[in-house]
Amino acid sequence: DTEVTQTPKHLVMGMTNKKSLKCEQHMGHRAMYWYKQKAKKPPELMFVYSYEKLSINESVPSRFSPECPNSSLLNLHLHALQPEDSALYLCASSQVMIGQGKIYGYTFGSGTRLTVV
Amino acid sequence: AQKVTQAQTEISVVEKEDVTLDCVYETRDTTYYLFWYKQPPSGELVFLIRRNSFDEQNEISGRYSWNFQKSTSSFNFTITASQVVDSAVYFCALSRHPTGNTPLVFGKGTRLSVIA
Repeated sequence: DTEVTQTPKHLVMGMTNKKSLKCEQHMGHRAMYWYKQKAKKPPELMFVYSYEKLSINESVPSRFSPECPNSSLLNLHLHALQPEDSALYLCASSQVMIGQGKIYGYTFGSGTRLTVV
Repeated sequence: AQKVTQAQTEISVVEKEDVTLDCVYETRDTTYYLFWYKQPPSGELVFLIRRNSFDEQNEISGRYSWNFQKSTSSFNFTITASQVVDSAVYFCALSRHPTGNTPLVFGKGTRLSVIA
């Protein structure tokens, strides 16, 4: 399995809703990432998890709450979002260490397109 | 700090023309990795190539080729005989040597339109 699977692919939510985005990989990658991408912009880093611990939070508002319950799963919990949070949310994973035949690279999911109304 | 600059915001070419996408990077690390990704309208990021800082060999893969010049901190991407299916946004990206805390830093992207 060489994929990162993100669900749902599309999500429309109201500003008072609570929803979650899910990301799953079974490649044994121990680093996982959330990126946010607005239209016509590059992906912007939100969070990095390394060995299931949060290692980077790029000053993301608390209405976004990440969670890494195990080495294969990464969630992004959403609460009280604003219309400007509408974007494509991309999850990625990577090897922490290379060598022993492991090739370093990032695998991206196909993203969740979020619309906040 | 790491930075990637893609000076070309949009490029439009006629099918079968060759096109080069420029990428200039900044880093203080001696070991680093450079990447190119393609993002079609559907949104997924498609991996094209990875190059580490110790490997300055140019690479060709079909109609795609990459020119890595450490002396000018550039990693340019050329598409030969472009096709309509090449229309997409292309991102150049940079990462440090992996230690578990090494996110990709993206350039702003170049939108390529290939016209039939």
